Amino acid sequence: QQQVKQSPQSLIVQKGGISIINCAYENTAFDYFPWYQQFPGKGPALLIAIRPDVSEKKEGRFTISFNKSAKQFSLHIMDSQPGDSATYFCAARLYNFNKFYFGSGTKLNVKP
Amino acid sequence: GAGVSQSPRYKVAKRGQDVALRCDPISGHVSLFWYQQALGQGPEFLTYFQNEAQLDKSGLPSDRFFAERPEGSVSTLKIQRTQQEDSAVYLCASSPRGAGVGADTQYFGPGTRLTVL
Repeated sequence: QQQVKQSPQSLIVQKGGISIINCAYENTAFDYFPWYQQFPGKGPALLIAIRPDVSEKKEGRFTISFNKSAKQFSLHIMDSQPGDSATYFCAARLYNFNKFYFGSGTKLNVKP
Repeated sequence: GAGVSQSPRYKVAKRGQDVALRCDPISGHVSLFWYQQALGQGPEFLTYFQNEAQLDKSGLPSDRFFAERPEGSVSTLKIQRTQQEDSAVYLCASSPRGAGVGADTQYFGPGTRLTVL
């Protein structure tokens, strides 16, 4: 049973467009929701993260929107660039156990 | 400073061989995690150490998998009698604090790609 469900599996966006990736979860014991970016041959790198007491967090071109009642959160990449082409993973942490569950990933391709 | 390093980066093993994968976390990091990442999938939790204590090993797929972190720094993931289904990228991550101390950034290594023939 997948704890964090991510969609879409792949995404193609034109340069300058907005990329949107969605995740949903069921376990209300999750307390921290990071997004990771992964390039081929590299480990995931933290992009941005949010706690459930905040509805939105913005860092540069990256924004997380969090809907606690719907148990959903999403990553928005504004003004998408070809250099953003990578695989993105959402994740959720089970607080007391410091255990992270990852989504299945979204492969983003930003076309020039 | 140096990030998380893993060695070897690539490992090819014949079915039935034992392998040992090494992780050097960022110096001083309390928490260390091992993940298994199948092709085209997200990382799957294997085990978690807080200093030298293995607090959670619920993700280890079988008793062929064993992990240790004897001095609270370097960690080794050992897989005995490897099977083809063990083929994956094994990721190590470390973070500065321990469980229950608030949200914390995980820093990932580049992974070890294990191929079992």
